[in-house]
Amino acid sequence: GNSVTQMEGPVTLSEEAFLTINCTYTATGYPSLFWYVQYPGEGLQLLLKATKADDKGSNKGFEATYRKETTSFHLEKGSVQVSDSAVYFCALSEMNTGNQFYFGTGTSLTVIP
Amino acid sequence: ETGVTQTPRHLVMGMTNKKSLKCEQHLGHNAMYWYKQSAKKPLELMFVYNFKEQTENNSVPSRFSPECPNSSHLFLHLHTLQPEDSALYLCASSQAGQRNTGELFFGEGSRLTVL
Repeated sequence: GNSVTQMEGPVTLSEEAFLTINCTYTATGYPSLFWYVQYPGEGLQLLLKATKADDKGSNKGFEATYRKETTSFHLEKGSVQVSDSAVYFCALSEMNTGNQFYFGTGTSLTVIP
Repeated sequence: ETGVTQTPRHLVMGMTNKKSLKCEQHLGHNAMYWYKQSAKKPLELMFVYNFKEQTENNSVPSRFSPECPNSSHLFLHLHTLQPEDSALYLCASSQAGQRNTGELFFGEGSRLTVL
């Protein structure tokens, strides 16, 4: 079956530090991969996505590369800001199977000044 | 006006009450979803509606009853809930089918507390 495993938090970083949040997946077909972000008191919103192997998604300084050989989609940012404090969710979707989405447990990030 | 609107934002109810959560999407999507978000657990998909037809019911207890009167509105009717049902309930929508962009659009959620 399909599943997503992401590193447990919480993660606490100082401003301008480098961020990596690991995500690995299991899928039966050829999924699309996503990172969603949830700011305090809000719903989830799409941060970036990649639809095929070796694609790199990027947005707001965040990047993630679809690695089929390691079934991974790690989220990275070179220099985090206080405003990046949020919960980050890795997810996959196989559009050929009815647009089912599978989410990880979420990783809480706190950036301190 | 946000794309997906949920009401109420907060709800406290007793185990014998009957209440409903409402979701409305203004994005012209044809698929709508209910998710349950509990602490330290993956988002749990509860129900999926495609073109107003329920296509997914992930073994959700019958005390949760969804209703999708049209492609823009989705309800979750609640009755005789248990304290462990306390969670954040998220509504989402997407464009299923050929115009599928693979993205879910979420509302801000309804925080439910069952006493």
